[in-house]
Amino acid sequence: DTGVSQDPRHKITKRGQNVTFRCDPISEHNRLYWYRQTLGQGPEFLTYFQNEAQLEKSRLLSDRFSAERPKGSFSTLEIQRTEQGDSAMYLCASSFRGSTGELFFGEGSRLTVL
Amino acid sequence: DQQVKQNSPSLSVQEGRISILNCDYTNSMFDYFLWYKKYPAEGPTFLISISSIKDKNEDGRFTVFLNKSAKHLSLHIVPSQPGDSAVYFCAASGTTIIFGKGTRLHILP
Repeated sequence: DTGVSQDPRHKITKRGQNVTFRCDPISEHNRLYWYRQTLGQGPEFLTYFQNEAQLEKSRLLSDRFSAERPKGSFSTLEIQRTEQGDSAMYLCASSFRGSTGELFFGEGSRLTVL
Repeated sequence: DQQVKQNSPSLSVQEGRISILNCDYTNSMFDYFLWYKKYPAEGPTFLISISSIKDKNEDGRFTVFLNKSAKHLSLHIVPSQPGDSAVYFCAASGTTIIFGKGTRLHILP
C-alpha cells in the first residue's frame, strides 16, 4: 500500500501524559500537513511542512504541541501534558509542491484523553 | 472566525435526483476551491476542484460552480447514487488549506 499511513490508529491516555503520533506520507510528496478533527467539525489546520521545513503553524497549536519532519520524509506530532480537550482525530495528509490543494489523507490517529 | 462555511449540516436526496451542496467563503485571496468526500473511519478523499479564475468545472457526475461576486460555490451531483452517501467538505486553498464543517448527504432509495 503506497498511501499515507498513520500510527497508532487509536491511543487512549491519561490526562497529563505525553503522546506521539507518526505519519508516513506518499513517498514522492514533499508537503505534509497535520489537521485535527472533532465530532461535527471539519479538519482544522495545525501545521504543514515542505520537505523538512515547517512553513506554517496555526495559532491553535499551543506550546504543548510540536511537530517535526527531520529528514523530509515521515513526521511526528507530539502532544505534551495532554488535556481532555485534546481528544480528537489527528489527520495527516501529503501533497506535491505546486498542488492545487489536492491532499491525500491517512486514516487518522484517534486520541482519547481520560 | 470561519473562513469557509457550510451552513447545511445535512441533506437528504432521492436516488437519481440532483444533490446540491453549498459553501460560502470570506477570503478573496483563495486560489483554488475543493470538495472532499469522507466515509466513516476513513480520511477525506479529494473529489473535484476549481480554480478561482474559473466559474465551472465538471468531472463525470460532479460539477462545481463558483460565484466569486457572491463568494459562493456549490457542488452538483447528478444523478445521485447510494454510494454518494457521505460527509462532503468544502475547502479553500491559499497559503494553507481551510475546510468547512461538512454536510452529511443521505441518498434515499
